Amino acid sequence: AQSVSQHNHHVILSEAASLELGCNYSYGGTVNLFWYVQYPGQHLQLLLKYFSGDPLVKGIKGFEAEFIKSKFSFNLRKPSVQWSDTAEYFCAVKPPQTTRTPMDSSYKLIFGSGTRLLVRP
Amino acid sequence: DVKVTQSSRYLVKRTGEKVFLECVQDMDHENMFWYRQDPGLGLRLIYFSYDVKMKEKGDIPEGYSVSREKKERFSLILESASTNQTSMYLCASSFRLKVLDFGAGTRLSVL
Repeated sequence: AQSVSQHNHHVILSEAASLELGCNYSYGGTVNLFWYVQYPGQHLQLLLKYFSGDPLVKGIKGFEAEFIKSKFSFNLRKPSVQWSDTAEYFCAVKPPQTTRTPMDSSYKLIFGSGTRLLVRP
Repeated sequence: DVKVTQSSRYLVKRTGEKVFLECVQDMDHENMFWYRQDPGLGLRLIYFSYDVKMKEKGDIPEGYSVSREKKERFSLILESASTNQTSMYLCASSFRLKVLDFGAGTRLSVL
């Protein structure tokens, strides 16, 4: 079945360590890619997105992600994490447009299972 | 700066009750969504709507229905609540930018 996979369910890091969270998807064709973050007690918010162009995407709070089409991957990275980065991170994919879906009037995101990141001070 | 508002943060209901979860957005978005969030499963799409009175089933629509009578409001209905519907329910909306704006969520417990 087509899906979005986040292989790391729990990650524990010390402050200043580098972070890389994996995301792989199994859809062929043109996809849109997203990372969302959910801080404790807060609602989901967009971290960064990729629609087209430069495969290295910069997001908020020093995060970046690289789209590697040949590997069907969109890994999230941050060179030096902070305690405030403790959160749950979700990768999401908008699958390719199909003839069944009206252009721009129907939009569906498929989410990965999430990665809980704990950053120790 | 409120954008997507879910009427309740916490709800406790009994098995067999009819449950309404309400969601309102103030951004004039065409698209609205209901997701369910469970530990280890991420977010799963229940239903979405791309216009008033229009709806499409998501990945897990069984046991749920929706209503969209006005553009700004999207309701999720549990016709007869069951314990396996205990979960966090997230409403979201989007426009052409294709970015979802999420509400704070409703944590529903069915006893």
